[in-house]
Amino acid sequence: KQEVTQIPAALSVPEGENLVLNCSFTDSAIYNLQWFRQDPGKGLTSLLLIQSSQREQTSGRLNASLDKSSGRSTLYIAASQPGDSATYLCAVKDAYDMRFGAGTRLTVKP
Amino acid sequence: DTGVSQDPRHKITKRGQNVTFRCDPISEHNRLYWYRQTLGQGPEFLTYFQNEAQLEKSRLLSDRFSAERPKGSFSTLEIQRTEQGDSAMYLCASSRLENGDTQYFGPGTRLTVL
Repeated sequence: KQEVTQIPAALSVPEGENLVLNCSFTDSAIYNLQWFRQDPGKGLTSLLLIQSSQREQTSGRLNASLDKSSGRSTLYIAASQPGDSATYLCAVKDAYDMRFGAGTRLTVKP
Repeated sequence: DTGVSQDPRHKITKRGQNVTFRCDPISEHNRLYWYRQTLGQGPEFLTYFQNEAQLEKSRLLSDRFSAERPKGSFSTLEIQRTEQGDSAMYLCASSRLENGDTQYFGPGTRLTVL
């Protein structure tokens, strides 16, 4: 059974800092890994999707990496802004379903 | 609006009542997913459809839950004889396998069972 873990559970940084969010998974037989952000009381917004054959994806200030062999992914956020404050979730899709981590709650202080 | 929509956004019901939620996916998406999310947790997979076929159903989904996707378009999720433990946010997502299978989520339906 796939288990997805995100560390840390919460993170607070001053505006302008670069930061890294971590995601680990137990079964490397995945189709893809997706990073989402979720604002309080809202649905999920897809940020980046990395196929199992890829090592990284970039979108603006965001860069996500994937190391299947070690069961790890990182989301790098450059030059953080208060508007980046949200919960960031990673999700791993395998042959059966998509499993989510519990998320990292990010606060960027002005 | 071309995103995923869900109706209603909020539902309050009494224990033992039946409730039905609706999800309208992005029009060209052939896959549709249902998830449940409780406070402080990531979404939990419930079931998914490819076109009108229900391909996977979580073992955690009791027989009080049923989902349909007639004609491969919108989907409904029904919960019979609701229990307080069913209180959660119910999220729907859709994707198109040919476009990399990125899932796009709706705003969710928040269910409160009294």
